[in-house]
Amino acid sequence: AQTVTQSQPEMSVQEAETVTLSCTYDTSESDYYLFWYKQPPSRQMILVIRQEAYKQQNATENRFSVNFQKAAKSFSLKISDSQLGDAAMYFCAYTDYGGSQGNLIFGKGTKLSVKP
Amino acid sequence: EPEVTQTPSHQVTQMGQEVILRCVPISNHLYFYWYRQILGQKVEFLVSFYNNEISEKSEIFDDQFSVERPDGSNFTLKIRSTKLEDSAMYFCASSVDSHSNQPQHFGDGTRLSIL
Repeated sequence: AQTVTQSQPEMSVQEAETVTLSCTYDTSESDYYLFWYKQPPSRQMILVIRQEAYKQQNATENRFSVNFQKAAKSFSLKISDSQLGDAAMYFCAYTDYGGSQGNLIFGKGTKLSVKP
Repeated sequence: EPEVTQTPSHQVTQMGQEVILRCVPISNHLYFYWYRQILGQKVEFLVSFYNNEISEKSEIFDDQFSVERPDGSNFTLKIRSTKLEDSAMYFCASSVDSHSNQPQHFGDGTRLSIL
């Protein structure tokens, strides 16, 4: 069965600094998608960035980028120039058309605090 | 930007009672999902729904759970006889289709507290 692991329950970063959130996953599938979702205190989960496993190039969305290491099954999120509004729970998620059949499998989340 | 809306935001129910959680997916979306998150634990998939029937369900989604789309806009999750362990945040999500490159959009969630 597919699993997603986020080993950092909490992280803290100074405003304007860079922080990296870790995520590892386990799957026997070759085609899959990985996502980072952000859940601010308002509770709605918002898609931050996604990565298709068949693409070697790391996805980037403005200040957010990923380091996707397929062989190592690692998918970390880097937030550059951190802002106070980045404070939230961040969830790593996985899906495919084999085992998970398109349904998202989440990690436990990392709570990110941003210090002014 | 269109949003998935969920009501109520917080539901308190006595153990053994029935509860219905409501969701209004984004209007042009065709695939609907329920997830739950027990406090301090992972977000877990419950069920997916397409074309008025369940596409996939997890082990959690046992006979006490049911879903329906009664009127073409609402998507409901019913728990027939609630148990203490049903206390959790319940998230509804929808997507345009089931392809993995189409992201699921989530609602704010309903916090269900079973007394």
